Amino acid sequence: AQSVTQLDSQVPVFEEAPVELRCNYSSSVSVYLFWYVQYPNQGLQLLLKYLSGSTLVKGINGFEAEFNKSQTSFHLRKPSVHISDTAEYFCAVSGSGNQFYFGTGTSLTVIP
Amino acid sequence: GAGVSQSPRYKVAKRGQDVALRCDPISGHVSLFWYQQALGQGPEFLTYFQNEAQLDKSGLPSDRFFAERPEGSVSTLKIQRTQQEDSAVYLCASSFELTNTEQYFGPGTRLTVT
Repeated sequence: AQSVTQLDSQVPVFEEAPVELRCNYSSSVSVYLFWYVQYPNQGLQLLLKYLSGSTLVKGINGFEAEFNKSQTSFHLRKPSVHISDTAEYFCAVSGSGNQFYFGTGTSLTVIP
Repeated sequence: GAGVSQSPRYKVAKRGQDVALRCDPISGHVSLFWYQQALGQGPEFLTYFQNEAQLDKSGLPSDRFFAERPEGSVSTLKIQRTQQEDSAVYLCASSFELTNTEQYFGPGTRLTVT
């Protein structure tokens, strides 16, 4: 079975500052890893995904994430955040089955 | 539209009522998933269809929950005799591929049971 841990439930950050949202996973099989963003009253939108190959993955809106197999982590980063990045961010993993396993989410608040 | 759509967007039900939630996946998508998202939590898997076949329903919390996809496109999630603990956002997602490499999510249906 797979599981995901997002240690930070809330992350406040000033506008134009860098941010890192942490994600750790556990799995006994090879996994695919994802970050989704959810704006209020909307569905989840894919930011980026790791399937194989390069461990540094670039996504939309200037976000990137690095897959670290030894540390079983997939942290999300952005060098300079904007007000519009305020949202809920979910890390997810899929493996041998077809379902996604989601973390509990990190609420990113960008402060002007 | 080209995305996954869900209806209704909001549903208020009195405890004990039956509800039906609809999902229209992206045209041509083979796989369809239902998730339940409680307030302040991440989505949790309910069930999965490949075309019209329901291949996994291990996440359905009780026998009051039932899902179908009779023609391999539109899906309906039905909850019988709703309880307050059923209050949540129900998300539908679809995927073109048989392998689980990406899912496209709908906006969800927010169910409130009073």
